[in-house]
Amino acid sequence: DTAVSQTPKYLVTQMGNDKSIKCEQNLGHDTMYWYKQDSKKFLKIMFSYNNKELIINETVPNRFSPKSPDKAHLNLHINSLELGDSAVYFCASSQDGGGRGSYEQYFGPGTRLTVT
Amino acid sequence: GDSVTQMEGPVTLSEEAFLTINCTYTATGYPSLFWYVQYPGEGLQLLLKATKADDKGSNKGFEATYRKETTSFHLEKGSVQVSDSAVYFCALRKAAGNKLTFGGGTRVLVKP
Repeated sequence: DTAVSQTPKYLVTQMGNDKSIKCEQNLGHDTMYWYKQDSKKFLKIMFSYNNKELIINETVPNRFSPKSPDKAHLNLHINSLELGDSAVYFCASSQDGGGRGSYEQYFGPGTRLTVT
Repeated sequence: GDSVTQMEGPVTLSEEAFLTINCTYTATGYPSLFWYVQYPGEGLQLLLKATKADDKGSNKGFEATYRKETTSFHLEKGSVQVSDSAVYFCALRKAAGNKLTFGGGTRVLVKP
């Protein structure tokens, strides 16, 4: 069984469209994350949710809206897509949400978004 | 703010060569330090970690020692294989909060 799964794996769409990426984890973790990896492989956190509550919200355009229907799922909805949104988006999860310890973050396989 | 700096790649080596990837960090307090590896077309996997000064993390022949005096966490492997070709990311995590701050990644290519 895949620990952290994302769908779709590839997403090609036109500027101005609205799209969603889904993430599910079956590890029983409390905390989930979205990261963006640009074309130069630079990775930056976007959001973090702990038990469906937003705990990290980096400087991300408000066109990006995370939604956590339950603690096993964290979806990313993007409105009015722009060329600069083209990137690989990684979902991750970890056990620790309280800030103590150094629990490993488990990453999904990534979703490659291409905006044309 | 917190930051992680690692050497730019690509690093190209022959099989069985010695690999070092430098990583230094800037952070207040006592962060935990990590190395993640990303194989082609895959997500990131934790390679090793260290949670306090002088700790040594090791896995799959890779090692890194948490050096607080030099704020460094250099990754080393004594004899690389073609299968070690990947992008390696150094990262830190502060004691308060669960946010990982990554370096820019170093691509390593090992040739037979």
